[in-house]
Amino acid sequence: GESVGLHLPTLSVQEGDNSIINCAYSNSASDYFIWYKQESGKGPQFIIDIRSNMDKRQGQRVTVLLNKTVKHLSLQIAATQPGDSAVYFCAENKGGNTPLVFGKGTRLSVIA
Amino acid sequence: GAVVSQHPSRVICKSGTSVKIECRSLDFQATTMFWYRQFPKQSLMLMATSNEGSKATYEQGVEKDKFLINHASLTLSTLTVTSAHPEDSSFYICSARHPGLATDTQYFGPGTRLTVL
Repeated sequence: GESVGLHLPTLSVQEGDNSIINCAYSNSASDYFIWYKQESGKGPQFIIDIRSNMDKRQGQRVTVLLNKTVKHLSLQIAATQPGDSAVYFCAENKGGNTPLVFGKGTRLSVIA
Repeated sequence: GAVVSQHPSRVICKSGTSVKIECRSLDFQATTMFWYRQFPKQSLMLMATSNEGSKATYEQGVEKDKFLINHASLTLSTLTVTSAHPEDSSFYICSARHPGLATDTQYFGPGTRLTVL
């Protein structure tokens, strides 16, 4: 079936190190991908997005990489800070007005 | 721009009562909004797609008579949990697409924590 999944449910990193969160998707028709950050008791917050015609996109301290060959998406956070501790979700969209499909989420814990 | 609000942020009710949750797009008009449900330590589960001026589209397994959705205007969608029971206790989150942006990004509200006693 169609799904978006994550390889690692939890990730602990030392403050200042780089973090890499991975995501696999199975629907080759998806053309838009988003990473969200969700802090406890709050709604998901948009971090960065990427379209299928790109393989890399950079934001402030974050980079998203898309490998369409193996249907893999990753979020890289540079110089991870305590404020980055949250659950991160990848989501895919097949275009039009269809809703996003969310992955299971990865909890990132930053060790000070 | 692209701010979505929800009200209330937290509600506690007795079993058998109905609860209404509001989702508003504050600085844009949203023809489509989405309602999600999230249990602790789990991902977001799409419940329904709310279309302005028409009936909502419910996901498989979601009872439309229990979770009433009304999208009466371009800035407001409501979710009413009817005859709530303890198993309906969850975190309910809405989202909306910003039609003015050249992306399919969905912006989320802060969520509503429902506790049914």
